[in-house]
Amino acid sequence: EDKVVQSPLSLVVHEGDTVTLNCSYEVTNFRSLLWYKQEKKAPTFLFMLTSSGIEKKSGRLSSILDKKELFSILNITATQTGDSAVYLCAVEENTGNQFYFGTGTSLTVIP
Amino acid sequence: SAVISQKPSRDICQRGTSLTIQCQVDSQVTMMFWYRQQPGQSLTLIATANQGSEATYESGFVIDKFPISRPNLTFSTLTVSNMSPEDSSIYLCSVVDYSTEAFFGQGTRLTVV
Repeated sequence: EDKVVQSPLSLVVHEGDTVTLNCSYEVTNFRSLLWYKQEKKAPTFLFMLTSSGIEKKSGRLSSILDKKELFSILNITATQTGDSAVYLCAVEENTGNQFYFGTGTSLTVIP
Repeated sequence: SAVISQKPSRDICQRGTSLTIQCQVDSQVTMMFWYRQQPGQSLTLIATANQGSEATYESGFVIDKFPISRPNLTFSTLTVSNMSPEDSSIYLCSVVDYSTEAFFGQGTRLTVV
């Protein structure tokens, strides 16, 4: 059964801390892995990862994929209160172009 | 947690026709949403499906093109009407349960030819 598992489920940190969010998957016919930030309704796209070992970076956020060990991490450095959100990981499956979402990691950044 | 069954998983349709996508949840949920996903892009919210009343549409989406039904707290449908190739996309159903967690269906891959 295909699945995407995110950990931790929730996280509370202080401003300035660095956090690492994890996403492991068991999806056959892997095509890509995507990270989203969800604050209200529509998730905001962060990264799409297709190749192992290549770090993608955007400001204080970065992400990397390990296709051998079937996981990805999302790092946020120097966290700010505006980073408080649910971070979703999704894996796109190649055959039917379907998506499998994790249940997300709820991040709370305290001033 | 909520388990979502979305049907069909994929379809190839002729332009000018309509397709109805179903979203069934195994538990009562407070909110249901319909999204469109272009490969490698952000999810785009189409509308919020309201139980027993008209859906709330986001800018750029209208009821005539994307009629939505939500007859109860566990079921909703999205119809893509009078389809054109530009409607080819993945359509996703999402729900928020009473714990405020979000869950997504596996998506419907629509190709309009």
